[in-house]
Amino acid sequence: AQTVTQSQPEMSVQEAETVTLSCTYDTSESDYYLFWYKQPPSRQMILVIRQEAYKQQNATENRFSVNFQKAAKSFSLKISDSQLGDAAMYFCAFRASGSRLTFGEGTQLTVNP
Amino acid sequence: EAGVAQSPRYKIIEKRQSVAFWCNPISGHATLYWYQQILGQGPKLLIQFQNNGVVDDSQLPKDRFSAERLKGVDSTLKIQPAKLEDSAVYLCASSQGQGSGQTQYFGPGTRLLVL
Repeated sequence: AQTVTQSQPEMSVQEAETVTLSCTYDTSESDYYLFWYKQPPSRQMILVIRQEAYKQQNATENRFSVNFQKAAKSFSLKISDSQLGDAAMYFCAFRASGSRLTFGEGTQLTVNP
Repeated sequence: EAGVAQSPRYKIIEKRQSVAFWCNPISGHATLYWYQQILGQGPKLLIQFQNNGVVDDSQLPKDRFSAERLKGVDSTLKIQPAKLEDSAVYLCASSQGQGSGQTQYFGPGTRLLVL
């Protein structure tokens, strides 16, 4: 069974600065996807960024980028130029081919003005 | 494009009562998911439908939970009878297909409190 671990229950960052959220996972699969989802207080989960395991290049979406270390089974999210609207719960998630989406426990991000 | 719709948004019931949640996925999305999110945890998949067929219900407590998607569009999740530990947010999501890289679009959720 796949597991996803987010070791930082809470993180905080100053507006306009950079923050990195950590995620590790455990799997024996070689074909899989990794995701970061954002869940604001409204509770609607939104996809932030996605990484395919076979792609060596780290995914980037505007101010959001990942550091994917396949051998270390690590998938961290970097948020640059943090904005107040980035404040939310962030979930790392994993899905192998033919299996279900498995979420970590989440990291609550606070952005200080 | 309209997103995933869910109702009701909030529900409070007594234990041993029954409750039903409704979900309407994004138009054209063949795959529909129901998740349970207990406070302080990540969502856990309860059931996945592909059109009107069940793909994965291995984590659905079938003695009390049931779900259907009769016409392959909207879906209903029912709990009967409810227990205190069923207090959670129930999230519905949909995707165009069931591939592992497909983006799942989530609804706003239904917050259930069982007293």
